[in-house]
Amino acid sequence: SQQGEEDPQALSIQEGENATMNCSYKTSINNLQWYRQNSGRGLVHLILIRSNEREKHSGRLRVTLDTSKKSSSLLITASQAADTASYFCATDGARLAFGKGNQVVVIP
Amino acid sequence: DAGVIQSPRHEVTEMGQEVTLRCKPISGHDYLFWYRQTMMRGLELLIYFNNNVPIDDSGMPEDRFSAKMPNASFSTLKIQPSEPRDSAVYFCASSFDRVDNEQFFGPGTRLTVL
Repeated sequence: SQQGEEDPQALSIQEGENATMNCSYKTSINNLQWYRQNSGRGLVHLILIRSNEREKHSGRLRVTLDTSKKSSSLLITASQAADTASYFCATDGARLAFGKGNQVVVIP
Repeated sequence: DAGVIQSPRHEVTEMGQEVTLRCKPISGHDYLFWYRQTMMRGLELLIYFNNNVPIDDSGMPEDRFSAKMPNASFSTLKIQPSEPRDSAVYFCASSFDRVDNEQFFGPGTRLTVL
């Protein structure tokens, strides 16, 4: 089964900076989703991008998808302390397959 | 809607004891998932149900683990007997219509087995 793999795994940035994280996957997909997990909480869905889309925006989030490279990126612009969390990508298929997560720490 | 509800939020038990985790999915959702999360292994899918029927239990670690969904609004994950290596956060999630649609996660149950 497919599985998203995020890269880099840990990122520490100053408040106001942008944060970018990547996800790669192995097989064809119909859509890819990004989730956020704040410490001690369940995952929360952020955004879904379909295989025929190249870019999608939601507030301060920008997601890109390159199906030829089997990769996606999540950009958080003008980061805030509240963005401190782990971010997971998930690919569709027989079931959603979550990556290992990408920890982002935003320093106030 | 209150979202996915899990209970208890925290559970501390001794090795060998039976543990039962509970989940109430979002009303109308026909898929329910049980996950386990640890630092070492990340987020693992244990089992998922569709319309109360277990579809894929290949992630259930061993016979000590069992899950049931007696109706559309309730599911349990049972560990008997529990072992220290079962210590983890267990999440329940639900989704509507498709197995790979957006999933809504509960707050999780933090299990500690001493």
